[in-house]
Amino acid sequence: SQKIEQNSEALNIQEGKTATLTCNYTNYSPAYLQWYRQDPGRGPVFLLLIRENEKEKRKERLKVTFDTTLKQSLFHITASQPADSATYLCALLTYNTDKLIFGTGTRLQVFP
Amino acid sequence: DTAVSQTPKYLVTQMGNDKSIKCEQNLGHDTMYWYKQDSKKFLKIMFSYNNKELIINETVPNRFSPKSPDKAHLNLHINSLELGDSAVYFCASSLRTGDNSPLHFGNGTRLTVT
Repeated sequence: SQKIEQNSEALNIQEGKTATLTCNYTNYSPAYLQWYRQDPGRGPVFLLLIRENEKEKRKERLKVTFDTTLKQSLFHITASQPADSATYLCALLTYNTDKLIFGTGTRLQVFP
Repeated sequence: DTAVSQTPKYLVTQMGNDKSIKCEQNLGHDTMYWYKQDSKKFLKIMFSYNNKELIINETVPNRFSPKSPDKAHLNLHINSLELGDSAVYFCASSLRTGDNSPLHFGNGTRLTVT
């Protein structure tokens, strides 16, 4: 069956460290993979997009990697801050559908 | 100035009632969506419209009927509400359908059915 899995447990890290979140998928052939941030009581906000032929994408303190062999994307936040605390969602779009399918999300908590 | 706005933010109602949620986007996007986020925070697509035309209609009960009067608006009407309909419903829009256009979400409507 098709699945997109993210760490279900919350990730707790200390301020200043690098947070690494994983997104694994099975039985999909994604054309694109996107990452979103969701704060409590708010809608998801788009952060980064990576195409299947790209290995890595960066934006300020954020970095996304995409390994189609491992069927995995990693999302890194360097020099993390308490303000980075939120739930992070990965989402993928396949070639044969128009649907953006979301993972289950990982809650990140950065403590001072 | 809000890009995607949906009303109401909270909706508490009894089983069997009919209710509507409204959504408007001022981004000039062609495509609009309804997503449902359950208690486990799983976000699942329900419908999408491209320029007022229904594109995606997931396995959603017939009690849910979307309506798009123009490409800036997508409303969701729910008939005969059930306890299991309790969730947060998100409206979203994107520039186009089926490509890498990121989604812009509203802040959700928390529906509670008692």
